[in-house]
Amino acid sequence: EVQLLESGGGLVQPGGSLRLSCAASGFTFSRCVMRWVRQAPGKGLEWVSTISDSGDSTYFAESVKGRFTISRDNSKNTLYLQMNSLRAEDTAIYYCTKAEPGVYGFHIWGQGTMVTVSS
Amino acid sequence: QSALTQPRSVSGSPGQSVTMSCTGTSSDVGGNNYVSWYQHQPGKAPKFMIYDVTKRPSGVPDRFSGSKSGNTASLTISGLQAEDEADYYCCSYVGSNTWVFGGGTKLTVL
Repeated sequence: EVQLLESGGGLVQPGGSLRLSCAASGFTFSRCVMRWVRQAPGKGLEWVSTISDSGDSTYFAESVKGRFTISRDNSKNTLYLQMNSLRAEDTAIYYCTKAEPGVYGFHIWGQGTMVTVSS
Repeated sequence: QSALTQPRSVSGSPGQSVTMSCTGTSSDVGGNNYVSWYQHQPGKAPKFMIYDVTKRPSGVPDRFSGSKSGNTASLTISGLQAEDEADYYCCSYVGSNTWVFGGGTKLTVL
């Protein structure tokens, strides 16, 4: 069974940092593009970042560019999101998602991890 | 990139059909055939329901169908069931590995 399990969320002060992790299982992680999506309280979904299967290519939404970094460790089947210079508007549930090769969409989602940026 | 526009809510009775819209621009919805839809129920992970405007992933009932005309995509659910009650989000590929979602539509089954 394909599973994605996010962790690392919590309460952080504005300007602080947090690293999210996503442990993947049930599929060949090293062959899959992975993405992060977030949902702020009472708001819709927002694509945050994408990383290629090898980790060589990364992409970011304008709202997080320069502050967030995406990476992966294919030997550990784990995806990461390093979040720096956090702002109140970054408060959201962060979902790890798996792409299906050749399919334009977000195929499998984790349960999400909550990040709260507040003083 | 602005979010796609979805109605805040739609409703229908069991057995009926409902259609919800997703309006973008020629740079996203109208510019390619990479619109997808997601079902999100409270406490659950979002579920992939439609991709490439009209295609259903394995396991999604054929009561769910997608379409597009110009800059507006639509999701239709026929034979509405109580278990279909959820928030539904559309999404469009924009290009250059970027994506835009809609604000979501809350479906209420009366």
